[in-house]
Amino acid sequence: VVLTQSPGSLSLSPGERATLTCRASQNVSSSYLAWYRQKPGQAPSLLIYGASTRATGIPDRFSGSGSGTDFTLTISRLEPEDFAVFYCQQYGYSPYTFGQGTTLEIK
Amino acid sequence: QLQLQESGPGLVKPSETLSLTCSVSGGFISSSSHYWGWIRQSPGKGLEWIGSIYYSGITYYNPSLKSRVTISVDTSRKQFSLRLSSVTAADTAVYYCVRDTFGACDHWGQGTRVSVSS
Repeated sequence: VVLTQSPGSLSLSPGERATLTCRASQNVSSSYLAWYRQKPGQAPSLLIYGASTRATGIPDRFSGSGSGTDFTLTISRLEPEDFAVFYCQQYGYSPYTFGQGTTLEIK
Repeated sequence: QLQLQESGPGLVKPSETLSLTCSVSGGFISSSSHYWGWIRQSPGKGLEWIGSIYYSGITYYNPSLKSRVTISVDTSRKQFSLRLSSVTAADTAVYYCVRDTFGACDHWGQGTRVSVSS
């Protein structure tokens, strides 16, 4: 399953709202879709799983939505630590696959 | 607090076998609710799932790597390992070990950079 993320990069200011999308080449069964944030020099960390469930300790400014082939990650109010790269991942089919990433940059 | 730590050589020669170990602390490797996996990241291919293993030894691998990959687990040592044979420059990447909770990777090691070069 190929995951295509858009946009490739996004320039926003702290406090603004960010909307990131992930489109799958085929239906992702049972919304087996996750989102990760990768800060510079660090490993990715899980934000959202099951398309819309926040992982442990993730603040409510992060929300996930979507089903089928179209999924969205929304960050309601950007904090400085959110300027990073975000990846979606599907785990409904083997092999698990990841999108190419969206880079969130400070404007 | 669950922690994962990769270890192994940072440089491997072409055609040889890459071997990495992940040590698990602060949690149970024999958990019935989790798999343990390996993911790599390279500039050219992005994030690529390599495979995962259950504490009982059940494995599943990425078909693109399956012929060269072996993942094993040693529950007594709280470790799991990756072996990737016949490496080429295309296998140069940062390798992460992860806790795989039914597909979502909810804990990651810090990663270890492996270069393939003579």
